[in-house]
Amino acid sequence: DVKVTQSSRYLVKRTGEKVFLECVQDMDHENMFWYRQDPGLGLRLIYFSYDVKMKEKGDIPEGYSVSREKKERFSLILESASTNQTSMYLCASSNRGEQYFGPGTRLTVT
Amino acid sequence: SQQGEEDPQALSIQEGENATMNCSYKTSINNLQWYRQNSGRGLVHLILIRSNEREKHSGRLRVTLDTSKKSSSLLITASRAADTASYFCATDANNAGNMLTFGGGTRLMVKP
Repeated sequence: DVKVTQSSRYLVKRTGEKVFLECVQDMDHENMFWYRQDPGLGLRLIYFSYDVKMKEKGDIPEGYSVSREKKERFSLILESASTNQTSMYLCASSNRGEQYFGPGTRLTVT
Repeated sequence: SQQGEEDPQALSIQEGENATMNCSYKTSINNLQWYRQNSGRGLVHLILIRSNEREKHSGRLRVTLDTSKKSSSLLITASRAADTASYFCATDANNAGNMLTFGGGTRLMVKP
């Protein structure tokens, strides 16, 4: 079974802090994705990567950056956390077709 | 931008009844997928239907796709309380990197 893990289920950070969300997949997938999920807005793509060291902006990249130094790991970085970044963050990976999701990280910025 | 729009936004039925959820989208697609999300968890892939397919079955799930109307439906037959979850459609517009665009989801409650 494909397994996608995220470093934290719940996280509380202060405004202005630098925040790292880590995602690891164990199926040698080429593509990895970061989404945020907010009530009434569904899932919105922040960034995705189709290869090591490659990244592409999604629909809402502002305030975020990503890093993919190894194929299995895709990190989402909030350079200076703000309260409007309080959300559920979901990581996913795929080769073709379906995406496999991690359990999510619920981030609260106070 | 949100490509898929699910209808209804919320659905409440009794155990044993069928549940139908609809999805509309705007641009041409390579395939359309349905996902399920239990409260506070990640999404789980249910079924993928390609643009040249009209209907697909998987267990109690039946998915249809009408590319002329840019719409899809997900039917869950003989629903169970354990089917209570949110259901999302997602479209693959054949972008590089298998990028999906998700709809806002339908919240399904199945009452025992």
